[in-house]
Amino acid sequence: DQQVKQNSPSLSVQEGRISILNCDYTNSMFDYFLWYKKYPAEGPTFLISISSIKDKNEDGRFTVFLNKSAKHLSLHIVPSQPGDSAVYFCAATLTGTASKLTFGTGTRLQVTL
Amino acid sequence: EPEVTQTPSHQVTQMGQEVILRCVPISNHLYFYWYRQILGQKVEFLVSFYNNEISEKSEIFDDQFSVERPDGSNFTLKIRSTKLEDSAMYFCASSEVLRTDTQYFGPGTRLTVL
Repeated sequence: DQQVKQNSPSLSVQEGRISILNCDYTNSMFDYFLWYKKYPAEGPTFLISISSIKDKNEDGRFTVFLNKSAKHLSLHIVPSQPGDSAVYFCAATLTGTASKLTFGTGTRLQVTL
Repeated sequence: EPEVTQTPSHQVTQMGQEVILRCVPISNHLYFYWYRQILGQKVEFLVSFYNNEISEKSEIFDDQFSVERPDGSNFTLKIRSTKLEDSAMYFCASSEVLRTDTQYFGPGTRLTVL
């Protein structure tokens, strides 16, 4: 089941620069997308989400972009901080039901000094 | 800030034994979920639960698994006869009735089956 894919297992970015994490999906029925951050030995923490009726959602340093035609979304973190170092999961779902979240495999972000 | 809690943080059991994983969802949330993550793999949906009924379950959630809300605060996942391949992190999550798309996760229980 590869409905949600994160093709980059890891990313290293310098503090203060932009981090861009990418996610692709194959199921065109998905209409709501989320990013979660996960530290070791903790559960996923909700970060930001976007509905398929939008192409951008911003919350502080975090912005999610959605390109429905390409079935692609990305998370931008500007400026990146050392505390942002974590594994980032993209997830997708179909709204209107208590639907399951379908997760990608995650991208490990390392923000270096 | 309200959060989902889970106990125990780590459970070790022998193959064939029954285990019960416990969760306390966020108090005003009425939808509850279990997910698991086998080491090195993605987080996978197991089951969703609302109004004392299963709303949806995955193919992983077979007859060995059951969920229950035994009282007003706890939500449990029972595995009747554990297998080696049940070893994983199990995450409980909850959401508001009108915002089931945004789910909040607990810290997880690491289940090790020997």
